[in-house]
Amino acid sequence: DQQVKQNSPSLSVQEGRISILNCDYTNSMFDYFLWYKKYPAEGPTFLISISSIKDKNEDGRFTVFLNKSAKHLSLHIVPSQPGDSAVYFCVGGKNYQLIWGAGTKLIIKP
Amino acid sequence: DAMVIQNPRYQVTQFGKPVTLSCSQTLNHNVMYWYQQKSSQAPKLLFHYYDKDFNNEADTPDNFQSRRPNTSFCFLDIRSPGLGDAAMYLCATSSLGTAGETQYFGPGTRLLVL
Repeated sequence: DQQVKQNSPSLSVQEGRISILNCDYTNSMFDYFLWYKKYPAEGPTFLISISSIKDKNEDGRFTVFLNKSAKHLSLHIVPSQPGDSAVYFCVGGKNYQLIWGAGTKLIIKP
Repeated sequence: DAMVIQNPRYQVTQFGKPVTLSCSQTLNHNVMYWYQQKSSQAPKLLFHYYDKDFNNEADTPDNFQSRRPNTSFCFLDIRSPGLGDAAMYLCATSSLGTAGETQYFGPGTRLLVL
């Protein structure tokens, strides 16, 4: 039973454009959500978080939107840069335990 | 810089030969985790320590054990590695009470079983 779903295994975006990564969840008990970024042969790196009581959080080029009624969140990256090419994991959190999505591989084309 | 360190980065072992992976942290976090990650799949939580309290995931095989002798160090012991245990093993830490409960990951140890 996948509680956090990332339905797009990969996404290709032109450099300078907006990248939108989507995530759906089924567990209404999550207290917060996180996005992690992972380069090959490295551990995941925390990118941005959002509390379940918020609907938006912004940090520089990264914005996360949460739609609780739809149980959907999205990560917007604008403008997209070549260094953004990585696998992005959507993660739901309750207390200190995390439930991970399968990841979306983002490819930024020059 | 405060960080999570994993040694070695690459480990080769033989089928059935016990192996230990190590993790240390300078963040003074009270929670430490071990994950297994295969290919480009999501990391799979094996177990975690909340201080000295050990919490095993229900589907973690008995072949996997862990030790946490102190706050800074945590070890993953694989008693009899099989070919299916070849994977990236990630150590992470978090500090309970931090908003967002962000987990900080080490670089991982890639295990190869021959």
